[in-house]
Amino acid sequence: GAVVSQHPSWVICKSGTSVKIECRSLDFQATTMFWYRQFPKQSLMLMATSNEGSKATYEQGVEKDKFLINHASLTLSTLTVTSAHPEDSSFYICSVSRASGLSGELFFGEGSRLTVL
Amino acid sequence: GENVEQHPSTLSVQEGDSAVIKCTYSDSASNYFPWYKQELGKRPQLIIDIRSNVGEKKDQRIAVTLNKTAKHFSLHITETQPEDSAVYFCAASMDTGRRALTFGSGTRLQVQP
Repeated sequence: GAVVSQHPSWVICKSGTSVKIECRSLDFQATTMFWYRQFPKQSLMLMATSNEGSKATYEQGVEKDKFLINHASLTLSTLTVTSAHPEDSSFYICSVSRASGLSGELFFGEGSRLTVL
Repeated sequence: GENVEQHPSTLSVQEGDSAVIKCTYSDSASNYFPWYKQELGKRPQLIIDIRSNVGEKKDQRIAVTLNKTAKHFSLHITETQPEDSAVYFCAASMDTGRRALTFGSGTRLQVQP
């Protein structure tokens, strides 16, 4: 069964509006979740690392005020794209890793395809 | 930070032939190397992974080899089938729950029936 659930799977919005994407870890508690972005025919690029109970860590070039991440519980992280513009249209995927230790496998959500008109 | 390079970007093979995809990484501290298969519009699916304490791992038609000295690892698919057609990504990271994966640029594999 699914380990990570992501919602919505697709969303279309008008330029200037905000969109929230949820990522839920279903099978285990996740102190750390990762948010990736994938443009068409490109690779997955890490946007930020979401840490439960603390501020997210953003990768270079990713605007923290535009991509708001909240990780308020051990099973839920949200990504809000604020004041979305057409260039933000992309496939956003969250991922969860099991607790620290020898297992480095990432479990991915289904992804959320954002289209900004 | 880690940098992962992947080649080739596209690969076309005849059904039944073998396919090989190669990756190199830059951070000698990386010790976890998974391979993902992604179909159009879907999430990446883990197909095989290897850790730095082994040099080769096999799972039916899929195998991965790792050369830590040269910092490269490869995916081998034997007896390819049309359903193997997809985009394949290699990745690397330190093997802890708090370290994100760095992905290669991807290889689009097309298996011709």
